[in-house]
Amino acid sequence: EIVLTQSPGTLSLSPGERAALFCRTSETVRSNSLAWYQQKPGQAPRLLMYGASGRATGIPDRFSGSGSGTDFTLTISRLEPEDFAVYYCQQYGDSRWTFGQGTKVEIK
Amino acid sequence: QVQLVESGGGVVQPGRSVRLSCAASGFTFSRYGMVWVRQAPGKGLEWVAFIWYDGSDEYYADSVKGRFTISRDNSKNTLYLQMNSLRVDDTALYYCARETWVDTAVAFDSWGQGILVTVSS
Repeated sequence: EIVLTQSPGTLSLSPGERAALFCRTSETVRSNSLAWYQQKPGQAPRLLMYGASGRATGIPDRFSGSGSGTDFTLTISRLEPEDFAVYYCQQYGDSRWTFGQGTKVEIK
Repeated sequence: QVQLVESGGGVVQPGRSVRLSCAASGFTFSRYGMVWVRQAPGKGLEWVAFIWYDGSDEYYADSVKGRFTISRDNSKNTLYLQMNSLRVDDTALYYCARETWVDTAVAFDSWGQGILVTVSS
């Protein structure tokens, strides 16, 4: 079973700053199997990125994804107040889906 | 627009059963694979089960295999999760979500608001 490890656990930043969130997989995975989600308190998760770098419908271009192999990154170029949330990476393979443990982006 | 509405949760005793439903609207339900994902209180997301668009195959997380059954009724645009032999650690908010493919990439692009299942004596 592939394990996804996200870092850091918590990221404390100010609005306007750049955020870099990392997701490392325990084995090499296909980039098209890697997705990112945002979850705000009391809300369902929302798809941000698919295929490691594709933005989902309606996602602003300050969000970008990159990476390959075992290392993937979600970057928020300039944090807006509504971006403070928990972010999860997710991988699909061998008829199962796995989530990372999440990174909380909080206001500094 | 796409809407997924879960129902059927509540408080249930350990060892008992409960069935969750997810009513879908705003899209052609029979064309999409569907999943259940859960989130224990204060914890992260855990994929639970997947069913093909036509119900021809299902996949389960090891933690629920043999106890939970995912099914669907495409004539009613409804997804189900039959949960048997419930354990305290099954306590969670259960989300249904739609699987989507963009080229060769797969993700869950629409989610319900979730339904809480509490397993407690």
